[in-house]
Amino acid sequence: AQSVTQLDSHVSVSEGTPVLLRCNYSSSYSPSLFWYVQHPNKGLQLLLKYTSAATLVKGINGFEAEFKKSETSFHLTKPSAHMSDAAEYFCVVSVPPGGAGNMLTFGGGTRLMVKP
Amino acid sequence: GAVVSQHPSRVICKSGTSVKIECRSLDFQATTMFWYRQFPKKSLMLMATSNEGSKATYEQGVEKDKFLINHASLTLSTLTVTSAHPEDSSFYICSANEGLAGRSTDTQYFGPGTRLTVL
Repeated sequence: AQSVTQLDSHVSVSEGTPVLLRCNYSSSYSPSLFWYVQHPNKGLQLLLKYTSAATLVKGINGFEAEFKKSETSFHLTKPSAHMSDAAEYFCVVSVPPGGAGNMLTFGGGTRLMVKP
Repeated sequence: GAVVSQHPSRVICKSGTSVKIECRSLDFQATTMFWYRQFPKKSLMLMATSNEGSKATYEQGVEKDKFLINHASLTLSTLTVTSAHPEDSSFYICSANEGLAGRSTDTQYFGPGTRLTVL
């Protein structure tokens, strides 16, 4: 079985300061890990994904995440927050397929608020 | 990147009526699509896996007779909420894999969601 825990339900930062959204996972397999962002009343947009290549993954909009197997973590970071980054962020682990199509397990989500 | 669309984006209906939501992969084929439900300020809950040309696989606790899923082609899956009630009001989101092989490394692309309100 696999699970994903996002350690903070809410994170508030000031514009221009660094962002850290924490994610821990558990999986019986070598996981594929994703970060998605969801703006209000919108669908989910892929930020980045880890698929056993480089442990430091760079995504869109200046976000990056580092896969640390020893810590079972996949924290999302950004050096400088922008007002447009305010949204809900989901850490996701992919279940190896037992049939056609992989299945995703979602973390509970972290709401990022950016103050001017 | 791959694009998934949903229609309608928003629907309001009376209790007891049925509502159909379409999910389309616009520029790729998807053997498998997924249907999620999201409650306010909550994470996504997988409802069912939609398989092209075969029956959908429902998650535990999801009524298959209430949430009818049809995956008629490699680019279209539909979710029909039958005899809708106010407690079915929610945000419904579909997704599709970019790859036909269904590998765990495949990216899932999500539709923009459909907000259903049942009066």
